[in-house]
Formats: sequence, C-alpha cells, structure tokens
Amino acid sequence: EAGVAQSPRYKIIEKRQSVAFWCNPISGHATLYWYQQILGQGPKLLIQFQNNGVVDDSQLPKDRFSAERLKGVDSTLKIQPAKLEDSAVYLCASTKDRLANYGYTFGSGTRLTVV
Amino acid sequence: DAKTTQPPSMDCAEGRAANLPCNHSTISGNEYVYWYRQIHSQGPQYIIHGLKNNETNEMASLIITEDRKSSTLILPHATLRDTAVYYCIVRTGGGADGLTFGKGTHLIIQP
Repeated sequence: EAGVAQSPRYKIIEKRQSVAFWCNPISGHATLYWYQQILGQGPKLLIQFQNNGVVDDSQLPKDRFSAERLKGVDSTLKIQPAKLEDSAVYLCASTKDRLANYGYTFGSGTRLTVV
Repeated sequence: DAKTTQPPSMDCAEGRAANLPCNHSTISGNEYVYWYRQIHSQGPQYIIHGLKNNETNEMASLIITEDRKSSTLILPHATLRDTAVYYCIVRTGGGADGLTFGKGTHLIIQP
C-alpha cells in the first residue's frame, strides 16, 4: 500500500511569514496526527483528527498554528506568523482506528527552517 | 501514560543481536508497550507492540518481564541499516491519546 505522503519536503521562510504543509494519509485510515520534531528530541503531538473532526488539539499553539482535514482525507497544517522556534520537522501520521492497537504509519516529514 | 527510561545510546556489531532495554516501572495493567524506530531523515517506523506476552514479527522480538516493569527489544541479526533512534512508548490499550515519544536510544551498528 502507498505510504503517508507529505509535501513539501523542505521549506525555508523568514520569521513572520506564513507556511502550509500538506498530508495525504493511507487510504482508509480514519485517524490522522500532526507531530512536531525539534532537532534532538522525540516527536511531539500537535493535533489529532478522527475523520474530519478534531479530537485533541491541546498541544497546538492556536495563536499561530491551525490545521484542517476537509472531507476526512487530506490535511493541511498552517503556521502564521512563523517564529524562529518553529524550525522543526513536521510529521504526519495515520492509523486505521485510534481506539485499536494498530501501529501508526508516519510520513517522511517536512523540514521547516525559519530564518 | 506511563513514563519510560531508555539508555541514550548503544553500539552493536553487525550480524550480532541488538538488545535494547526499556524501563517502564509505573506501567498500568491496561497499557501496551510499543516500539518505533526513526532512521535519519525519515519518519518513525512502527516495529512491534505487546501487552504481557512476548511477541515476534519479521522485524524484531519483544520480551516483557513478568512484572511488566521492563522490556527488551531484540533485533536478532543487526545490519548497518538498523542504525536508528529507537523509541519505547507505553500507551493505554484502546486509548484515544496519540503516542508520547521520549528521546529514545540511538543504536549504532558497527561494521
């Protein structure tokens, strides 16, 4: 099966600019996650979707980050305006059923550099 | 979810078994142990998970102690491509929360 697709692979922006990342999960996977991974650390969960609804966004900095999953398939994560500390890899993951014990499938991520 | 403790780094010779320990002394009865790995410049990859019984798949074996306070991930014949950061995570079975990653163990396979 095809994996989780993410684009772009790399992005460099200046602080205070806006940026958007795109994720296409595995077909049929109802649950989609966005993670932020700062260099040298493990991934940190930002937001979790079940179909097209948000089930957990408690760690999303809502003053500058937003995410949506229209039609319960693709998702976009946006940062506006970006800060230097947002430099990180943004990972998208999906799983068939968040309430079951399946493993997650991650994409390769988007590496964001804010200068 | 319970906290895990892993050594920051380990070395293993190519062709030998790599044994990665994880301590999860506060694990609850309904929490599973998951292992993921992250090869450089890639997203994390699911390896295996278990509750109390030992588990084996095509990638690895998971040994969980009888008291469930620790576990060991075994890569039976390590290759250079197994060099990665390995994360041990505990998560409530059937839970709605996403995975919580620590810093993991950087496993380096030596030729």
